[in-house]
Amino acid sequence: EAQVTQNPRYLITVTGKKLTVTCSQNMNHEYMSWYRQDPGLGLRQIYYSMNVEVTDKGDVPEGYKVSRKEKRNFPLILESPSPNQTSLYFCASSSDRYYGYTFGSGTRLTVV
Amino acid sequence: SQQGEEDPQALSIQEGENATMNCSYKTSINNLQWYRQNSGRGLVHLILIRSNEREKHSGRLRVTLDTSKKSSSLLITASRAADTASYFCATGANSKLTFGKGITLSVRP
Repeated sequence: EAQVTQNPRYLITVTGKKLTVTCSQNMNHEYMSWYRQDPGLGLRQIYYSMNVEVTDKGDVPEGYKVSRKEKRNFPLILESPSPNQTSLYFCASSSDRYYGYTFGSGTRLTVV
Repeated sequence: SQQGEEDPQALSIQEGENATMNCSYKTSINNLQWYRQNSGRGLVHLILIRSNEREKHSGRLRVTLDTSKKSSSLLITASRAADTASYFCATGANSKLTFGKGITLSVRP
């Protein structure tokens, strides 16, 4: 089944403790992206990648890092999480930056 | 930057009625897409319309695009209770896909 898999689904962590949210797709998509969703703000793009080793900032990149060492994986790294990064995170992939995206099921992160 | 803005913010209709949702945007786009999100879950791609297209259909969905007015509409015909969800428009431009804040659609049985 074609899908984008995110892990974990839920995570509660403490301020400053580094964490990684994994994202993997099995569709051989070149384009991958991370979004965060907050009430009243909709979805905002954090980072995106157009291919292996090619990443770029979205609209809200501060406090996040990404890497794209393999085509299928696009992990999101929070080096020092803060409470304002409490949010619902989505990874998405597409065969092209302008085609329809396939979304993962989301990761609900709480930073206390 | 938030590109698309949906209107209305919330819509409540009776099952069987048609639902019309609108999206306006500010800058030139490559395409415009509509997505559905059931509560707390991942978004599902519904339909894509390119900037050189004016209308597109997919099942009970009809989307229009007016680039001169920088606006789009999504029509869901013969709505069902299962259509209850949030709907987002997203604009493709500058190598990115930018989402609006969404419309909450409630379909009463």
